[in-house]
Amino acid sequence: QSALTQPASVSGSPGQSITISCTGTSSDVGGYNYVSWYQQHPGKAPKLLIYDVSNRPSGVSNRFSGSKSGNTASLTISGLQAEDEADYYCCSYTRSSTLVFGGGTKVTVL
Amino acid sequence: QVQLQESGPGLVKPSQTLSLTCTVSGASISSGAYYWTWIRQHPGEGLEWMGYIHSSGGASYNPSLKSRVTISVDTSRNQFSLKLNSVTAADTALYYCARDSQSGYGGFDYWGQGTLVTVSS
Repeated sequence: QSALTQPASVSGSPGQSITISCTGTSSDVGGYNYVSWYQQHPGKAPKLLIYDVSNRPSGVSNRFSGSKSGNTASLTISGLQAEDEADYYCCSYTRSSTLVFGGGTKVTVL
Repeated sequence: QVQLQESGPGLVKPSQTLSLTCTVSGASISSGAYYWTWIRQHPGEGLEWMGYIHSSGGASYNPSLKSRVTISVDTSRNQFSLKLNSVTAADTALYYCARDSQSGYGGFDYWGQGTLVTVSS
């Protein structure tokens, strides 16, 4: 299975909104509403931000939101803060009943 | 509070079998509510889903690893394990265990801190 496609890097200024895309195929992202997003700070385990495309777990800031259109899912971070500087990964369920991650996106707060 | 803790050798010789265990506390593997997952991260790279197991024994594996990987569960010890055979230097990575709270559809809400495994002679 091929990794989902994410931009290598995205940047924004404090207070701005940024969007990270995650492109797959009709066999994964486009075929199911089972996309999740993770934030990973250096040296730390990833943290779940979004599951089932747009659901936020308890305790996750509402500045993080998820959506999907066709074969592309998106994570939007609004009101960008310095602490949001991290790597972000998407993950999708696939037709083969497996899961596949995206390559990751490094977010830089300018 | 749910906690996951990986354990196992940090150094494995090429062609041998990598074996790791994840001990779960604060949640019961036998409850059947979750899927217990292994994920790895090569140095400086992204995440790779390796596979999961359910307390029923049902498992799913990454096709790229399927011939070499086995995940098993020991409900009596509240642990699940990873075995990866015929390892090479390409299997050097940080290995995480995680809980999938979304019935195997992805939603890893609790993670271990990760354990680095180096494959080298």
